[in-house]
Amino acid sequence: KQEVTQIPAALSVPEGENLVLNCSFTDSAIYNLQWFRQDPGKGLTSLLLIQSSQREQTSGRLNASLDKSSGRSTLYIAASQPGDSATYLCAVRPSGGSNYKLTFGKGTLLTVNP
Amino acid sequence: DTGVSQDPRHKITKRGQNVTFRCDPISEHNRLYWYRQTLGQGPEFLTYFQNEAQLEKSRLLSDRFSAERPKGSFSTLEIQRTEQGDSAMYLCASSLRGVGTRGDTQYFGPGTRLTVL
Repeated sequence: KQEVTQIPAALSVPEGENLVLNCSFTDSAIYNLQWFRQDPGKGLTSLLLIQSSQREQTSGRLNASLDKSSGRSTLYIAASQPGDSATYLCAVRPSGGSNYKLTFGKGTLLTVNP
Repeated sequence: DTGVSQDPRHKITKRGQNVTFRCDPISEHNRLYWYRQTLGQGPEFLTYFQNEAQLEKSRLLSDRFSAERPKGSFSTLEIQRTEQGDSAMYLCASSLRGVGTRGDTQYFGPGTRLTVL
């Protein structure tokens, strides 16, 4: 059974700092990995999707990397802003067949202080 | 706004009552998913549709839960005889089978927060 762990559970940083969020998964047989952002009481916003054959994806100040063999992904946020404050979730989709369900970690609660 | 809408956004009910939630996916998306999220946890998969066919159901989906997607458009999730343990955020997502990195991206709605008293 796939298990996804996110470390740290919470992170507080001053504005402008670069930071890294970590995600690990136990079964390396994945089709892709997705990073989401969730604001309090709201739904999920997809940030980046990395296919299993890719090593990284970039969007603006965000960069996500994937090391499938070691079961790890990182989300790098450059020059953090107070508006980045949210919970960040990673999710993996298993490879093979028609299995589309995502397995999520518990998330990292990020607070960026002005 | 991802283009996936859910109704209602909040529902408060008494234990034992039935509730029904609706999800409208992005119009051209042929896949639709339901997830449940409790406080401090990540979302957990409940069920998945491809067009109107329900292809997978989680063991979390007890006999009191039923989901439908008539005509492959909107979907409903009904919970019968609600229990306090059903209190959670119910999230709907949709995706489009396609090529490229965006083809499998699941787009989530704002969720329906259920509170069972």
